[in-house]
Order: sequence, then structure tokens, then C-alpha cells
Amino acid sequence: ELKVEQNPLFLSMQEGKNYTIYCNYSTTSDRLYWYRQDPGKSLESLFVLLSNGAVKQEGRLMASLDTKARLSTLHITAAVHDLSATYFCAVEGAGDMRFGAGTRLTVKP
Amino acid sequence: GAVVSQHPSRVICKSGTSVKIECRSLDFQATTMFWYRQFPKKSLMLMATSNEGSKATYEQGVEKDKFLINHASLTLSTLTVTSAHPEDSSFYICSARGGSLEQYFGPGTRLTVT
Repeated sequence: ELKVEQNPLFLSMQEGKNYTIYCNYSTTSDRLYWYRQDPGKSLESLFVLLSNGAVKQEGRLMASLDTKARLSTLHITAAVHDLSATYFCAVEGAGDMRFGAGTRLTVKP
Repeated sequence: GAVVSQHPSRVICKSGTSVKIECRSLDFQATTMFWYRQFPKKSLMLMATSNEGSKATYEQGVEKDKFLINHASLTLSTLTVTSAHPEDSSFYICSARGGSLEQYFGPGTRLTVT
């Protein structure tokens, strides 16, 4: 069974600081996703990672994938308040998509 | 880009009644649609996967007689919560997949059962 572990679950950051969210998964995956969710809203797609070594960047967020280690990271650079949200990784394998528990990020001035 | 809509966005119903949620892919044909449930401050849990024209596949622990899923066309899937109870109150999110294999998520439906 595909399992996805995400950490940390809660992250309080100061503006301007850097941090990384980790996503480990248990079995071979077809693709890995990162999503953002604001309170009361649905999911906003951030990144889709398809292959080993894939790295994608958008603004202050950068995602990477190591399929050998079954690990993806979401790196936040110079955090700003607007990045406060819950971030989920999701892993797809054999037609199923499983979500991590989510990381609730709060960026403080 | 691919757009998925859900209707209604919010619904309040009385205990014992049934409520139907619609999920539509607006600009693509969705061969597969997924239904998720999310409790407050929790992750998304897959409830069922439906392919157009065939019966839905339910995840373990999801009552198929309580959560009726119909995927009658390539652009519409419906989730009916039958005989709803307060513990069914949740945020229900659908997603749809077409030829690109990526899932596109709807805006969600907040169900409150009183």
C-alpha cells in the first residue's frame, strides 16, 4: 500500500527565512505533486514532478524529486506572509493518489 | 487550463435527508473522476474512483450504499450522500482526469448536516 509521510506538520517561520518541507513515500511512484490549500478553499496545483532529479521552481518555492530515495522536498526561500497556507504533497502510483498529512505553514513578520 | 466545477459550494441539510453534489469537467473529457473527503485541519482522503460508464471503486471503509457515485457522462459525476448524519459533515472535493493523466481539482463542497 502506498503511504506518504510529510514533515513537519506545523511550521512557523519568520519572514525572510528559508525552510524545507519533506515528503517521503513508500513505493514506486508514477508522479509526485505539491499543492497549496488556503483555509476553506480547494487545492491549488504548485508542481508536478515526473522523473528522478526533477527540479521545478516558481517564485520563492522550489520542488525536487529523488525517486531512488523516494523523497521530495519543497524549499521555501525568503518566506513572505503570503506563503502562509497548508502545503500537501501527493503521490500517484498504480492509478491511486495518496496525500501527505499536510504542512501548515505560518509566516510571521 | 482544465477547469473542474462543483455544485453546490455549500449545502446544509437535515439529518436523515439525502444530498447530491455535482462535479463537472468544463473544458475536457474526464475518463476518471475521484471523490475526496477532508475533515477540518486534516488531509484529503480518497473515497472512491469512478470511470465513465462503470461502477465506482470505493476505498476500504467507505460505505458504497451511503455514498452513491454516478459517472454517467465524460463531463459529469455525482456524489449522493444518503440519509445524512452530522458525522457526514465535511468538505467534499472532486477531481477529474482526462488524457493528460493529471488530476484537476474542483473547488469543493462544504456539507453541514444538522
